[in-house]
Amino acid sequence: QKEVEQDPGPLSVPEGAIVSLNCTYSNSAFQYFMWYRQYSRKGPELLMYTYSSGNKEDGRFTAQVDKSSKYISLFIRDSQPSDSATYLCAMAGTASKLTFGTGTRLQVTL
Amino acid sequence: DADVTQTPRNRITKTGKRIMLECSQTKGHDRMYWYRQDPGLGLRLIYYSFDVKDINKGEISDGYSVSRQAQAKFSLSLESAIPNQTALYFCATSDSWQGIQYFGAGTRLSVL
Repeated sequence: QKEVEQDPGPLSVPEGAIVSLNCTYSNSAFQYFMWYRQYSRKGPELLMYTYSSGNKEDGRFTAQVDKSSKYISLFIRDSQPSDSATYLCAMAGTASKLTFGTGTRLQVTL
Repeated sequence: DADVTQTPRNRITKTGKRIMLECSQTKGHDRMYWYRQDPGLGLRLIYYSFDVKDINKGEISDGYSVSRQAQAKFSLSLESAIPNQTALYFCATSDSWQGIQYFGAGTRLSVL
């Protein structure tokens, strides 16, 4: 079993929809949680960062961490075609090495 | 200019050739990483370095070597390239307290 599980998709939604992306993990030591966005032929870029449990909101994006269930989510409101990308969850127990999910490919259609 | 620069961006080579991928950063971070990305497998850590004198193997280091020439430079070498090393390679840097990693644009490597 992988330490971090993420549905690869692809996930196709119409413009304006609410998108929910999720990861589950098995290592209870993880306390740093991140979401990266990767456009085609580009490097991953940090989208959201959360330390420990709780919610964090940034514009149309909300990250949630539920450590009791070992489950993290990224919500995108009012999705736009420019949100079409692969979304990678990442997590770590210490600020040294990240463990990544395999990524979910999202397509937002007009 | 990009904070994390990888060269070359694309490379085609033949089996058995030695190649080097280079990474330089202007973020002032001590920590640098090399990953490869394959479809369905995500990002896998090859090597990482927490300072100039520190080199550590990641989960898939066989067939690779690295050199940390300076705080800002970290290169990855394939001593004798083989076709299953065809992949997208990323360099990343991070600070020591938040763990956020910043990635370069990647090198697309094809080994024929």
